[in-house]
Amino acid sequence: NAGVTQTPKFQVLKTGQSMTLQCAQDMNHNSMYWYRQDPGMGLRLIYYSASEGTTDKGEVPNGYNVSRLNKREFSLRLESAAPSQTSVYFCASSEAGKTDTQYFGPGTRLTVL
Amino acid sequence: GQQLNQSPQSMFIQEGEDVSMNCTSSSIFNTWLWYKQDPGEGPVLLIALYKAGELTSNGRLTAQFGITRKDSFLNISASIPSDVGIYFCAGRDYKLSFGAGTTVTVRA
Repeated sequence: NAGVTQTPKFQVLKTGQSMTLQCAQDMNHNSMYWYRQDPGMGLRLIYYSASEGTTDKGEVPNGYNVSRLNKREFSLRLESAAPSQTSVYFCASSEAGKTDTQYFGPGTRLTVL
Repeated sequence: GQQLNQSPQSMFIQEGEDVSMNCTSSSIFNTWLWYKQDPGEGPVLLIALYKAGELTSNGRLTAQFGITRKDSFLNISASIPSDVGIYFCAGRDYKLSFGAGTTVTVRA
């Protein structure tokens, strides 16, 4: 039981490049989330998926897209990376109706040059 | 999003010490949560609080939901080296907002 896994752990991009961050959970959770973590700031929600087939914008969605591929997987895509997207990205999941109890992955550290 | 002020920003602990940190909000919350993040890992939920005045413990950790519903406190008793890390508070009204964290390190 791996919990929430994220790939890659580290990534360096040049401005304008695109990439997809992958997230998978094996806890049969309905809800999944993408956050970014920046120095001196709390986690900020980018997008979330309350259940398979649905996605909604969070606090900071601009510059990102998401896909809830199936119940297990929720990917985050940067179509044209910008230096302002340099951050640590966390994926999380929770059971339906238990959004306070979120289980986080280990994070992806992204640097955009 | 909501403004959560977490203090102190950082602290040093000595083994055996009791330490405290707190979180205040400009708005009323229905839920307060405390997470810990170890280096290179994601946050892990420590304690969840759902009622004003509630006091909840998890081992050596005790957290309280302030009676004004605008603040919460976390105490760690008898610190040990593995208590180092970043502690985050989070509060929920219609959405979840996170504080910037308190970094706990061991005093040399």
